[in-house]
Parts: sequence; structure tokens; C-alpha cells
Amino acid sequence: QKEVEQNSGPLSVPEGAIASLNCTYSDRGSQSFFWYRQYSGKSPELIMFIYSNGDKEDGRFTAQLNKASQYVSLLIRDSQPSDSATYLCAVPGNQFYFGTGTSLTVIP
Amino acid sequence: ETGVTQSPTHLIKTRGQQVTLRCSSQSGHNTVSWYQQALGQGPQFIFQYYREEENGRGNFPPRFSGLQFPNYSSELNVNALELDDSALYLCASSLVPGDTQYFGPGTRLTVL
Repeated sequence: QKEVEQNSGPLSVPEGAIASLNCTYSDRGSQSFFWYRQYSGKSPELIMFIYSNGDKEDGRFTAQLNKASQYVSLLIRDSQPSDSATYLCAVPGNQFYFGTGTSLTVIP
Repeated sequence: ETGVTQSPTHLIKTRGQQVTLRCSSQSGHNTVSWYQQALGQGPQFIFQYYREEENGRGNFPPRFSGLQFPNYSSELNVNALELDDSALYLCASSLVPGDTQYFGPGTRLTVL
């Protein structure tokens, strides 16, 4: 059983700021990590995934992975009100193990 | 758009009834996973099908059952509905188990 922990928030940041979302996982053997965004009442949509230690950038999003610390984070630069959503961290195994999600509000 | 569709969008049932939810995966995706998501929680794994065979099951009772068909469609059946079954039900398709999962829009089930 893999466990994925996220701070449920809510996290509030002003428009234009950097939002930092964090996730820890229990299985040291986990190899890949996924971030999904979920708007209220909608289904999760994939933002990005990361396999290697270090940073991976995709537009305004940066995923950071530290396998030694069993820690993965998502940074959102230049946060926009449209980024207001719940962000889910997921670790695949036989299934995808999801955290409870962090609720982010970007204040105009 | 992920190319994954689900029907119906919303459903209201009464306790004790049975329900069938449907999902159509992306073409070529041999794996479908079903999740239950209660309000304020992350998705909880129900089961996964790979090439029409069950390939893993979460901590859900046997009254939750499923099927996967050769045409990339699948079903989730729930018997003897309970009030706690009220949730958003999500299907996700992937090429193979463990690969990136793409979610459908979900079915909101309300049990009265």
C-alpha cells in the first residue's frame, strides 16, 4: 500500500505570486509521480509527471522531485485566478494512489 | 479533452437499487481504472481492468463489480446501493497499467 500525503490547505496566494504545493510519499521504490488539477465538480486533468530527481518545467508549472526525502512539489509561477482548483498528487503502482489534494485559491 | 467519455453525467437512485455506469476509453487504451471520489477526498481506487481481465481491486465490497469490453468500453455495476455510495465516479484509461491515466468527466451518483 502506497501512501501519499498532501496538505489539504486551503492555500491562498495573490495573483502573480508563486504557489508551492507539496506531497510526500511512503514507498521509497516509487519511480514516477503525477500532478493533476481538479476544478470543483469536474474530473482530474493531468498537469505533468516527473520521473527523475530535480526539476521539470512545463510553462508556468515546475515539478520538483527529491527521492531521498520522498518529496515531490509543484510550483506555479505567475499564479492566475484560473489556477484556483484542487491539486492532486498521484503515485502509480498497480493502481494510482492519490493524496487528498490541496485546495488553491488565487486572489485577484 | 481526454477522449474518455462517461455516461450518465448525473444519476439519482434510492437505497437498495442497482446502478450501471459506463465509460468509453481512448482508442488503443487497453487499461481502464475506476475510482470513487467523495466530497473533499482524493479518488479512491475501486478496480482496474486490463485487456478485459480484472487487474487489481481496491478495498471495496463485492457488490461493486465491473466489465471491460473489446471495444474499449467498460462498466461499473453497484448492487444494493447504500447512502455512502453517493459520490463522483471516475473512470481513467491508460495504454497499460501504471502508465499515465486520463480521466473521463465523471458520473455524479446520489443515493437517497
